[in-house]
Amino acid sequence: QSALTQPRSVSGSPGQSVTISCTGTSSDVGNYDYVSWYQQHPGKAPKLMIYDVNKRPSGVPDRFSGSKSGSTASLTISGLQAEDEADYFCCSYAGSYTLIFGGGTTLTVL
Amino acid sequence: EVQLVQSGAEVKKPGESLKISCKGSGFSFSLYWIGWVRQMPGKGLEWMGIIYPGDSDTRYSPSFQGQVTISADKSISATYLQWTSLRASDTAMYYCARRTGWGAIDYWGQGTLVTVSS
Repeated sequence: QSALTQPRSVSGSPGQSVTISCTGTSSDVGNYDYVSWYQQHPGKAPKLMIYDVNKRPSGVPDRFSGSKSGSTASLTISGLQAEDEADYFCCSYAGSYTLIFGGGTTLTVL
Repeated sequence: EVQLVQSGAEVKKPGESLKISCKGSGFSFSLYWIGWVRQMPGKGLEWMGIIYPGDSDTRYSPSFQGQVTISADKSISATYLQWTSLRASDTAMYYCARRTGWGAIDYWGQGTLVTVSS
């Protein structure tokens, strides 16, 4: 199983929107609506931002949204804020109790 | 409050054995699948495997099958990750994490840094 494919880095100015893509296969992203996204600040544990493709846990701002088309999922962050600067990882269920992560995307807020 | 508290950082030599722990509180530990995730220095997240403490049903990622052992003791709400012979390539941060639904992790431990060096 190969990692899901994410861009290495994205950037945007405060107030702008950015979208991070996550491409898998018909065995993971394309086969299940169980895609999640995690935010990780340096030296910290990851934090769940989106689950089941487009659901937000309590406490996550509605600036964060998720979607999926075929084998590609996306995380969109609107109204960028300085504190959004972090690494973002996508994750998909891949069957047999297995999760598969993306390689991670570094978001820089200019 | 849901918490997963992991054991402290470890420094080991190649060939040594190691068992790190993760203790849960604030939820019914036996009723949730708890997974382990590796993050090598400067790298991404890798799913290692998962255990259901209620009956110790354990599933491993193919990449980690045979390389580590995951176990649990539901009486003390703990899960463990164990190596019999460490290698330098095992140097990483290891997180335990609570699975919610089929494809998400809603709570993470603080991580245990394992350093393997001669």
